[in-house]
Amino acid sequence: NAGVTQTPKFQVLKTGQSMTLQCAQDMNHEYMSWYRQDPGMGLRLIHYSVGAGITDQGEVPNGYNVSRSTTEDFPLRLLSAAPSQTSVYFCASRDKTSGNTIYFGEGSWLTVV
Amino acid sequence: GIQVEQSPPDLILQEGANSTLRCNFSDSVNNLQWFHQNPWGQLINLFYIPSGTKQNGRLSATTVATERYSLLYISSSQTTDSGVYFCAVERYFSTGNQFYFGTGTSLTVIP
Repeated sequence: NAGVTQTPKFQVLKTGQSMTLQCAQDMNHEYMSWYRQDPGMGLRLIHYSVGAGITDQGEVPNGYNVSRSTTEDFPLRLLSAAPSQTSVYFCASRDKTSGNTIYFGEGSWLTVV
Repeated sequence: GIQVEQSPPDLILQEGANSTLRCNFSDSVNNLQWFHQNPWGQLINLFYIPSGTKQNGRLSATTVATERYSLLYISSSQTTDSGVYFCAVERYFSTGNQFYFGTGTSLTVIP
């Protein structure tokens, strides 16, 4: 098992550019989610999905889009990057069969200039 | 949303010491989890503990859901325990599930 894999690990964008953060998991988890972590703060939920074809908004969804066409993949799209989206992004999946344990990817460091 | 407050915000321990980290939350929750973020940024789940007490080696956690708090105990601390400890709560709403993280306790264990 590779667990939760995020790419890219580091990215610098110019304001207004678009990009997609990729997330894949090979554990057949139904629940996947995206968080952002800003300095001195905990993680904030951006979007989540309870299964293929189903997505929903978290606490801070503005400026981000998601889709879930397969169980394995949950990409996060920034349509028009803004400096306020400079952050570390974490993808996670959840295993409901073993006590709802959450598994995180290694993070993607995004800087918007 | 639900407010999650963790204390203390920062903690420095001598190796071998014990510590207690606290997580208070402002409303009833369906789930609670503790995470450790190591100095390289990696997040690891420590406990899924919506109520009761669990132990895993030198770590244990207790959640008293009726009083809206959870405690994480670290005994005989080691330098590898350094990092940030996060508490996260989950609430099921009619519009969907929401997760709320605290701002963390930054732990430094010195040899």
